[in-house]
Amino acid sequence: DGGITQSPKYLFRKEGQNVTLSCEQNLNHDAMYWYRQDPGQGLRLIYYSQIVNDFQKGDIAEGYSVSREKKESFPLTVTSAQKNPTAFYLCASSPPGAAGTGELFFGEGSRLTVL
Amino acid sequence: SQQGEEDPQALSIQEGENATMNCSYKTSINNLQWYRQNSGRGLVHLILIRSNEREKHSGRLRVTLDTSKKSSSLLITASRAADTASYFCAVGGGSNYKLTFGKGTLLTVNP
Repeated sequence: DGGITQSPKYLFRKEGQNVTLSCEQNLNHDAMYWYRQDPGQGLRLIYYSQIVNDFQKGDIAEGYSVSREKKESFPLTVTSAQKNPTAFYLCASSPPGAAGTGELFFGEGSRLTVL
Repeated sequence: SQQGEEDPQALSIQEGENATMNCSYKTSINNLQWYRQNSGRGLVHLILIRSNEREKHSGRLRVTLDTSKKSSSLLITASRAADTASYFCAVGGGSNYKLTFGKGTLLTVNP
């Protein structure tokens, strides 16, 4: 079945460590997105990519990095520079022609906890 | 910011009743979308309404859009316990290729 797969579902990190969250899609979508969700805060955009080898910062990009070497993959690295990384991270994609103004397809999320 | 803001923050109803959630936004938009999120899961797209549309239906869902008031409402008719979830509105239309989400309405449907 087509969809977006995020892994791991749960991740624990010690302070000072970098961690990478995986996001893979087999929907043949051009655009991919990373959102952060905190309780009571809704979704905030971290990074987005409209095409392979190109990506843009969202509203809260500090302390995060991404790459887009393949159309299917958009991994997110949470670096030690992110001061409050404990959150629920959601990856999404959108089909051609709909980037930013059409339906988003979401993965099931990755919950990161800093110990 | 175009960010949608949902109202109320939380809503508790009995099974079989209708549930109405509202969303307000600040600037002009191309479209407005509603998403659903079960606890601890990803978001699922429910319905999209374009700025030139006033009402749209999908099954038990009815969405209205009033661009003059910069507001939208989502009505779920004959609610079921399985409708218990958070509901988010998202507005699109900026030139920076992204949707902006509100903080959501937590709907609880009691059996």
